[in-house]
Amino acid sequence: TQLLEQSPQFLSIQEGENLTVYCNSSSVFSSLQWYRQEPGEGPVLLVTVVTGGEVKKLKRLTFQFGDARKDSSLHITAAQTGDTGLYLCAGAGSSNTGKLIFGQGTTLQVKP
Amino acid sequence: EAQVTQNPRYLITVTGKKLTVTCSQNMNHEYMSWYRQDPGLGLRQIYYSMNVEVTDKGDVPEGYKVSRKEKRNFPLILESPSPNQTSLYFCASSSAEWNEQFFGPGTRLTVL
Repeated sequence: TQLLEQSPQFLSIQEGENLTVYCNSSSVFSSLQWYRQEPGEGPVLLVTVVTGGEVKKLKRLTFQFGDARKDSSLHITAAQTGDTGLYLCAGAGSSNTGKLIFGQGTTLQVKP
Repeated sequence: EAQVTQNPRYLITVTGKKLTVTCSQNMNHEYMSWYRQDPGLGLRQIYYSMNVEVTDKGDVPEGYKVSRKEKRNFPLILESPSPNQTSLYFCASSSAEWNEQFFGPGTRLTVL
């Protein structure tokens, strides 16, 4: 069974600080997605990384897919209160078949 | 506007009283699924459907039923709800099970 472990599960920081969220597995994924969920809403896709070692940037958010495609990280620079929410990673099977496997999520609270 | 809608958004019911949560998407997606979200457990898939009249169990199907008579609709049925089914439920649709999932706004269910 493929599992995705996210860490930390909860993070509370001050506005302006940097942070990194990790998503790890012992399994290889063909691609990995990152979602953000705000209170009272469903998750929304932020980015998909496909190639081992790939780095994608979305304004202050930097996503990296591990070389072996078993892990990923999300780094936020100079966090803002608007970044508050639940961040979920989700991995697609090694041959792009089968359902997505979701991590348990990282709750981020950015205080003013 | 491309979207997934769910109704109701909030529901409080009593043990044993049958209920249905509706889900509809307007993106002509073949793949639809239901998740429940509980603190510390992330998103767990209940049932999914690859196409009309094709449904299958996810990770936590006990106590739930689904149907897919039309491509756009995928209702979730609880024949005899129990308190352990108190949760936040999300419907999602996608062009394929490993692709970006479009989530509905969620249904918060409380079973007393």
